[in-house]
Amino acid sequence: DAMVIQNPRYQVTQFGKPVTLSCSQTLNHNVMYWYQQKSSQAPKLLFHYYDKDFNNEADTPDNFQSRRPNTSFCFLDIRSPGLGDAAMYLCATMHFRGQETQYFGPGTRLLVL
Amino acid sequence: AQTVTQSQPEMSVQEAETVTLSCTYDTSESNYYLFWYKQPPSRQMILVIRQEAYKQQNATENRFSVNFQKAAKSFSLKISDSQLGDTAMYFCAFTQNTGNQFYFGTGTSLTVIP
Repeated sequence: DAMVIQNPRYQVTQFGKPVTLSCSQTLNHNVMYWYQQKSSQAPKLLFHYYDKDFNNEADTPDNFQSRRPNTSFCFLDIRSPGLGDAAMYLCATMHFRGQETQYFGPGTRLLVL
Repeated sequence: AQTVTQSQPEMSVQEAETVTLSCTYDTSESNYYLFWYKQPPSRQMILVIRQEAYKQQNATENRFSVNFQKAAKSFSLKISDSQLGDTAMYFCAFTQNTGNQFYFGTGTSLTVIP
């Protein structure tokens, strides 16, 4: 009964080659988050959507974009991946004015060659 | 600004023993939520326990319990009867009910020793 699904689980891309990571949820939560997590570090919030409202963190590089075409899906686009973008990317959801609890997907590990 | 501090980067505990992980936070809000998340090596981040700030009673989930001290802004996690499967990174997190931002601590890496 997967609730937050991320595809693919592993992604290998070349330096500078655009890549898209996807996240879907079956929870009907109104907030979706994208985090970047590097080894043994806390997740770093890149951006989040509250319904269709997009919220970008001030220090998120322009290289990172996101789309949320509907409640269930959210995408992370990395336009020109650099070696420093190799990381685990976590998607999470939450129902604001509901349980105020984040639920995480399994993550996508990105490798940049 | 909201911050979450975990002052113990690494801890270890013998199997079957009890261990306490510390977390402090800073906020000017009166209503908020606190969480402990567990992330085993190369595995998914999962919720361990959740505490609502307006509830004075400490949350418990089986072997996991918290000591929530609102005045001191402290939220520690106690793991009783530690098991090998408890080996993981533990993150303390916080959110307010006035927004949908989550704030994470830097994590504590817990190793359970057989």
